[in-house]
Amino acid sequence: GAGVSQSPRYKVAKRGQDVALRCDPISGHVSLFWYQQALGQGPEFLTYFQNEAQLDKSGLPSDRFFAERPEGSVSTLKIQRTQQEDSAVYLCASAPRGDTGELFFGEGSRLTVL
Amino acid sequence: AQSVAQPEDQVNVAEGNPLTVKCTYSVSGNPYLFWYVQYPNRGLQFLLKYITGDNLVKGSYGFEAEFNKSQTSFHLKKPSALVSDSALYFCAVRDINDYKLSFGAGTTVTVRA
Repeated sequence: GAGVSQSPRYKVAKRGQDVALRCDPISGHVSLFWYQQALGQGPEFLTYFQNEAQLDKSGLPSDRFFAERPEGSVSTLKIQRTQQEDSAVYLCASAPRGDTGELFFGEGSRLTVL
Repeated sequence: AQSVAQPEDQVNVAEGNPLTVKCTYSVSGNPYLFWYVQYPNRGLQFLLKYITGDNLVKGSYGFEAEFNKSQTSFHLKKPSALVSDSALYFCAVRDINDYKLSFGAGTTVTVRA
């Protein structure tokens, strides 16, 4: 597709449920990032992939958060046993190979945990 | 460590007046600097970036930004604001030796007709 696609756009989960958020980056983009944006805040880094390799997961808030990109294209962010503090917009961004380019963001997945 | 500060939560201007959104940054090395805009229920859209070269950078929709190394600032400007410029603006920085973007908390711009 022309841009980064994320699904679902909106997800409501009961506390304790597992959720999976999908990101389809721009075709050919090597780098893929996940960010978490809480209400009224700027995006916060979660994790970074270069192709299928997860090079940095230092921003994942707990071991309930897990991300994968098995074939170097589509990525999934999984949150196990969701808590209310997980409520946020989860943004995916991709970028082509190179050091100086900007990130291309999807529209985000808004997660609400009740 | 790297960080961004956007000192104003909100900026209000009249249509046709100049618009300035302030940003200061902190990085250990040399910075790459970015401005993004976010409309309601939309993802972040890239406006402009400073990598190297001229301190005045021109971007989309008539926006420009000036890199000031001594003041560690990268303020966003537009000479004549439009009502359609009303949105949430984010400044972001990364060290040239890093890959992670760090964002400010954002500034809500409201342009009144």
